[in-house]
Amino acid sequence: KQEVTQIPAALSVPEGENLVLNCSFTDSAIYNLQWFRQDPGKGLTSLLLIQSSQREQTSGRLNASLDKSSGRSTLYIAASQPGDSATYLCALGYSTLTFGKGTMLLVSP
Amino acid sequence: DAGVIQSPRHEVTEMGQEVTLRCKPISGHDYLFWYRQTMMRGLELLIYFNNNVPIDDSGMPEDRFSAKMPNASFSTLKIQPSEPRDSAVYFCASSLRLVDEKLFFGSGTQLSVL
Repeated sequence: KQEVTQIPAALSVPEGENLVLNCSFTDSAIYNLQWFRQDPGKGLTSLLLIQSSQREQTSGRLNASLDKSSGRSTLYIAASQPGDSATYLCALGYSTLTFGKGTMLLVSP
Repeated sequence: DAGVIQSPRHEVTEMGQEVTLRCKPISGHDYLFWYRQTMMRGLELLIYFNNNVPIDDSGMPEDRFSAKMPNASFSTLKIQPSEPRDSAVYFCASSLRLVDEKLFFGSGTQLSVL
């Protein structure tokens, strides 16, 4: 059974800092990976999708990478802003997605 | 498109009552998923449909839970009878394909069973 771990569970940084969120998984037989953002009391929004043929994906200040051999994915956020404060979840799988429990990010002005 | 629409946003009920959660997926999406989110267990997949047909319901916790998708634009998740341990946020999500496509979530239904 796939297990997805996100460390740290919570992270607090000052505005402007570059940061990396980590996601590790136990089964490397995955087809794709997505990083989601969840604001309090809201649903999840897909930020980046790394498709089966890809190892990396970028959108604006966000960059996600995937290393199946080491069972790790990272989400890099450049020049963090208070508006980036949210919980970030990674999800991956061969067919349906298995979710990590997320990293709660707080960016202080 | 308005996105995935769920109703109600909040549901408070008493133990033993029947609860019905509703979902309208994004038009044209062939896959619909029901998830449950709790602090302890995170997000768990309960069931998913492809073209209105249930494909995998292995995540449904017990027989008290049932889900239907009578047509491409509507799905329900029913709990009968409800128990306090069912209290959670229930999300509906949809996507074009099972893999290599973004998953779009609704805003969720916050269920409290007293």
